[in-house]
Amino acid sequence: KAGVTQTPRYLIKTRGQQVTLSCSPISGHRSVSWYQQTPGQGLQFLFEYFSETQRNKGNFPGRFSGRQFSNSRSEMNVSTLELGDSALYLCASSSEPGLQYYEQYFGPGTRLTVT
Amino acid sequence: AQSVTQLGSHVSVSEGALVLLRCNYSSSVPPYLFWYVQYPNQGLQLLLKYTSAATLVKGINGFEAEFKKSETSFHLTKPSAHMSDAAEYFCAVEEGSQGNLIFGKGTKLSVKP
Repeated sequence: KAGVTQTPRYLIKTRGQQVTLSCSPISGHRSVSWYQQTPGQGLQFLFEYFSETQRNKGNFPGRFSGRQFSNSRSEMNVSTLELGDSALYLCASSSEPGLQYYEQYFGPGTRLTVT
Repeated sequence: AQSVTQLGSHVSVSEGALVLLRCNYSSSVPPYLFWYVQYPNQGLQLLLKYTSAATLVKGINGFEAEFKKSETSFHLTKPSAHMSDAAEYFCAVEEGSQGNLIFGKGTKLSVKP
């Protein structure tokens, strides 16, 4: 079974621009979650989508948004980029939340650099 | 608000020794607790998830974690360390009505031959 795919893998943007990152989950998984990892702030949770609905949300400003399509693929958008948005953005695909047998797999991440 | 404390940013053990990585959460009993592992230059992996079905949770690669409400702890253990266990380990708890996931700062585990 194919793993979690994230595109693009690397991205360089200028402050003030916007960016869209994409995540394709493992076949059969309907939940996709997004995370930001930086040396300073560590790992932070952005949001989770399940069956096209945002189920959980972290404490990020409204510049960070996401959506999920009917095929479970998800996109994350960051508008008005700031230097502090430079990070590794991780996406994870998981089985239905609440199930006793729970599986979650992460993609390789998108490395975003804002200059 | 919930917070997660991982005691020891670096832990070093000898191969074959017990691995104990500590995690404490701060407030009310969270619905879910997690341990993740990140191997050098690799992505994150879920080690295990606590869902209140059992206080002792078994994960992958021989790891397990015990939820102790009285101690607000969810420590990760492995009876015998392998060189391949060298990695960074993160504890996380889900909190609040928004289901925010709060991560600890991570513990880097080194395994000496």
